[in-house]
Amino acid sequence: ETGVTQSPTHLIKTRGQQVTLRCSSQSGHNTVSWYQQALGQGPQFIFQYYREEENGRGNFPPRFSGLQFPNYSSELNVNALELDDSALYLCASSLYGGGPSTDTQYFGPGTRLTVL
Amino acid sequence: GESVGLHLPTLSVQEGDNSIINCAYSNSASDYFIWYKQESGKGPQFIIDIRSNMDKRQGQRVTVLLNKTVKHLSLQIAATQPGDSAVYFCAENMVNNNDMRFGAGTRLTVKP
Repeated sequence: ETGVTQSPTHLIKTRGQQVTLRCSSQSGHNTVSWYQQALGQGPQFIFQYYREEENGRGNFPPRFSGLQFPNYSSELNVNALELDDSALYLCASSLYGGGPSTDTQYFGPGTRLTVL
Repeated sequence: GESVGLHLPTLSVQEGDNSIINCAYSNSASDYFIWYKQESGKGPQFIIDIRSNMDKRQGQRVTVLLNKTVKHLSLQIAATQPGDSAVYFCAENMVNNNDMRFGAGTRLTVKP
């Protein structure tokens, strides 16, 4: 177990709705990254949060947004849900030292989102 | 665009044999590589990592080899066990970039 927790485990929404997913980072970690994993594919980087600010973003539209709180936990918000947003959403925590490379990321179990 | 990929989508081995999972990357600027194991219904689990200033790193029953000349990464699992059955992903982190890129994954099946 990594100590990274995510909630909820499963979620069903309809097209056009909004969703908020939550992540608690491993103790001692200050950075949270979010990934989308479609069935049968590798995770795709959505964005990373460090010191409560976005610290890098992948190729996802603005309707994917996030927050990081002072206790380093994080939320992923997705507005105007589309059918293609159905996926496993993973968060990973790490200890970012501010150097050129991100330190090892440890993943939570994920939230399975189904959009109908 | 540049990406991380895997040579084989599936690998089936006999229990006790050694397994080798391969990965090709195309971004020579990447400086950090990681192997993850993902079991059904779970998040990716860190196995081993290697930085670009190394060409080999060993863990418990696992070895990662990095060949920067041909941009190739491999994961060797010694004495493969049924519990090793999972999808294995290689991932790369590019210098000064927090975007970790994953390959599509290789499914390892261990036959008893």
